[in-house]
Amino acid sequence: DVKVTQSSRYLVKRTGEKVFLECVQDMDHENMFWYRQDPGLGLRLIYFSYDVKMKEKGDIPEGYSVSREKKERFSLILESASTNQTSMYLCASSSTSEAFFGQGTRLTVV
Amino acid sequence: KQEVTQIPAALSVPEGENLVLNCSFTDSAIYNLQWFRQDPGKGLTSLLLIQSSQREQTSGRLNASLDKSSGRSTLYIAASQPGDSATYLCAVSGSARQLTFGSGTQLTVLP
Repeated sequence: DVKVTQSSRYLVKRTGEKVFLECVQDMDHENMFWYRQDPGLGLRLIYFSYDVKMKEKGDIPEGYSVSREKKERFSLILESASTNQTSMYLCASSSTSEAFFGQGTRLTVV
Repeated sequence: KQEVTQIPAALSVPEGENLVLNCSFTDSAIYNLQWFRQDPGKGLTSLLLIQSSQREQTSGRLNASLDKSSGRSTLYIAASQPGDSATYLCAVSGSARQLTFGSGTQLTVLP
């Protein structure tokens, strides 16, 4: 069974904290993605990576950075969390075709 | 820039009905189209993948079609059940390998 695992289902952080969201896939996929999902705005791409140590900005990269040191792991970093980053964060991986998603991390910044 | 639209935004049907969800996209140069299901507060579950060279895919009671030239896809659900209640999302993949999503159709199947 294919698997994309996000490190936390729920997370509460304080404004100004540095936040790490981790994602691991076991399918040897080249491509990995981070999306955020907000009511009325749908899924928006933050960053993606098509190889180790490679990264590309998506539609809304401001306030975020990413790290991909190993093929199976893609981390999303909020350098200084703000309340407008409260959202559902979804990680995905794909090869040349089908994409698979993790279970999501509901992040609340207070 | 690719744009994906899903109609209707919400749909409520009695159990047992057959139904169709619609997805349209503006740029026909896609690699594939994928339909997902999302339950409240959860991640996305892949339902069907249609490669750009294919016309349709079937899995159980689900059938997805693709008309690339007109920029349309439909998801057909036969004999709907209350357990089918969820949000259904379509997404297209282009040369940049990233998925562009529609805003989804929230389906409620009434017992």
